[in-house]
Amino acid sequence: AQSVTQLDSQVPVFEEAPVELRCNYSSSVSVYLFWYVQYPNQGLQLLLKYLSGSTLVKGINGFEAEFNKSQTSFHLRKPSVHISDTAEYFCAVSPLMNSGYSTLTFGKGTMLLVSP
Amino acid sequence: GAVVSQHPSRVICKSGTSVKIECRSLDFQATTMFWYRQFPKQSLMLMATSNEGSKATYEQGVEKDKFLINHASLTLSTLTVTSAHPEDSSFYICSARAGLRTGGTEAFFGQGTRLTVV
Repeated sequence: AQSVTQLDSQVPVFEEAPVELRCNYSSSVSVYLFWYVQYPNQGLQLLLKYLSGSTLVKGINGFEAEFNKSQTSFHLRKPSVHISDTAEYFCAVSPLMNSGYSTLTFGKGTMLLVSP
Repeated sequence: GAVVSQHPSRVICKSGTSVKIECRSLDFQATTMFWYRQFPKQSLMLMATSNEGSKATYEQGVEKDKFLINHASLTLSTLTVTSAHPEDSSFYICSARAGLRTGGTEAFFGQGTRLTVV
């Protein structure tokens, strides 16, 4: 079984400041890793994903994340945030399977609050 | 990315009635669809997984007779909340994934349905 821990339930930050949203996972097998963003009353949009290869993954909207296998972490970063980045961010994992992706296990989410 | 359309986005119904939520993959064939429930300020809880043409697999604790899932075609899955009660009020989200042979290694999410039972 897999589990995902997002250490911060809420992260307040000023506009144009850098931000890091933390994610740690636990799994007995290798996993794929994802970050999703959810705006109020909307579904989830994929920001980025790590499948294999380079541990630094770049996604949409200027976000990037780094996979650290030894620390079982997949922290999300952005060097300069905008007001429009205010949203809920979910980290998720999926175990590697020959049949492709399996079901996703989500963290509890981190609310990013960007203020002027 | 691929588009998954979920309808309706909001629905209010009376206690005891049934509500159907549709999830459509608009530009790909969804071999597998997932239904999630999200409580306020919480993460997504997987309710069930359905493969086209097969019965849905429900997660532990989810009542299959209350949450009826039909995945009759490769582009449509429906979730029917039967005899809805106020405690069923929640945000329901579907996601869809294409088959592996057609490059389906990613699940795409619908925009969600806010169900309020009064």
